[in-house]
Amino acid sequence: DVKVTQSSRYLVKRTGEKVFLECVQDMDHENMFWYRQDPGLGLRLIYFSYDVKMKEKGDIPEGYSVSREKKERFSLILESASTNQTSMYLCATKTRYNQPQHFGDGTRLSIL
Amino acid sequence: GESVGLHLPTLSVQEGDNSIINCAYSNSASDYFIWYKQESGKGPQFIIDIRSNMDKRQGQRVTVLLNKTVKHLSLQIAATQPGDSAVYFCAENIGNDMRFGAGTRLTVKP
Repeated sequence: DVKVTQSSRYLVKRTGEKVFLECVQDMDHENMFWYRQDPGLGLRLIYFSYDVKMKEKGDIPEGYSVSREKKERFSLILESASTNQTSMYLCATKTRYNQPQHFGDGTRLSIL
Repeated sequence: GESVGLHLPTLSVQEGDNSIINCAYSNSASDYFIWYKQESGKGPQFIIDIRSNMDKRQGQRVTVLLNKTVKHLSLQIAATQPGDSAVYFCAENIGNDMRFGAGTRLTVKP
């Protein structure tokens, strides 16, 4: 089974802080994704990466950056956290075209 | 019981009944479709997928139907159990781009 591990289940940070969310996968998948999930809005893609050191903007990249230094690890960075970034953040991985994405259990982030 | 995707975000069924959850997708070029189940406090879990060259695929207690003419996808759950209570959402895939529906909350009454 694919295992996607997100470093924190719950996180509380303050406005203006730099926040790091980590995601690690154990299946050697090329593609990794970061989403946020908000009630009524579904999953929205923030950034994705199809290889080490490669990154592509998703639909809502503003206020976020990512890092992929190793194949198994994909980090999401909130440069200066704001209250509208309070959300559930989900990491996903996928091996190749027309295969399902596999998700971690999410990080519920609150920005105060 | 039957839902109509985003227009009916909740579906309540009796334990043992069959459930039908519907999804209207947006892009006629989508060639791969997935159903996910998300339980409270967990990430989405893959249930079943179907490629656009098929119109039906069966798994264990679940069946996915694809109607490309009207861009409609449905998930049928046979003999629904309390453990099936969750949010279910569909996803459509075009290349490396996957789009997710907002989901339907299924509640199973004992």
